[in-house]
Amino acid sequence: NAGVTQTPKFQVLKTGQSMTLQCAQDMNHNSMYWYRQDPGMGLRLIYYSASEGTTDKGEVPNGYNVSRLNKREFSLRLESAAPSQTSVYFCASSERQGESALAKNIQYFGAGTRLSVL
Amino acid sequence: EDKVVQSPLSLVVHEGDTVTLNCSYEVTNFRSLLWYKQEKKAPTFLFMLTSSGIEKKSGRLSSILDKKELFSILNITATQTGDSAVYLCAVANAGGTSYGKLTFGQGTILTVHP
Repeated sequence: NAGVTQTPKFQVLKTGQSMTLQCAQDMNHNSMYWYRQDPGMGLRLIYYSASEGTTDKGEVPNGYNVSRLNKREFSLRLESAAPSQTSVYFCASSERQGESALAKNIQYFGAGTRLSVL
Repeated sequence: EDKVVQSPLSLVVHEGDTVTLNCSYEVTNFRSLLWYKQEKKAPTFLFMLTSSGIEKKSGRLSSILDKKELFSILNITATQTGDSAVYLCAVANAGGTSYGKLTFGQGTILTVHP
């Protein structure tokens, strides 16, 4: 009953370092999302993948890249980390085949990755 | 650009109080409005509303949508310390390439004291 699993849970980077945040879901969902959450700003969409093989930019994509490795996995990469990327990152998924159109809007979230860039 | 604004940003109450959280929105092609509860970690789904005037209820929590005035409220009656959390409101856009994407508000931080 894992749902959406994110790794790592915590990470500290130095400015300029790179890293990849991993996300996997076991709910057979088609769509996956990456958000960042900063104090007072709610959740902001970085990138999303409507289906395997497709990715698209969200509201705040600069400084990030993504890979939809297969239906289960969607990774987020920071090529050269900056202090402005200090945040909590959440992965989410939605839309199982055969669900009602409205049910497809319900996104399920992972536990988050707390990232600090010094 | 879709926009969601929640108020108040934070609220402190005592156990047993009733609270009302507000969410107003602007969206180009409205599909649904969702409420989430976020405790320490992952946001968890509470309600989805699509039609005006229909109240969704789950125990002490209830929510209603006004599509004409473009807002929703989340009520919590007889609050308990376990209700302390960030409550997030989000709208889903039904249009074109935005289909399925959610736009979130800033969240309301609710603190319930014993």
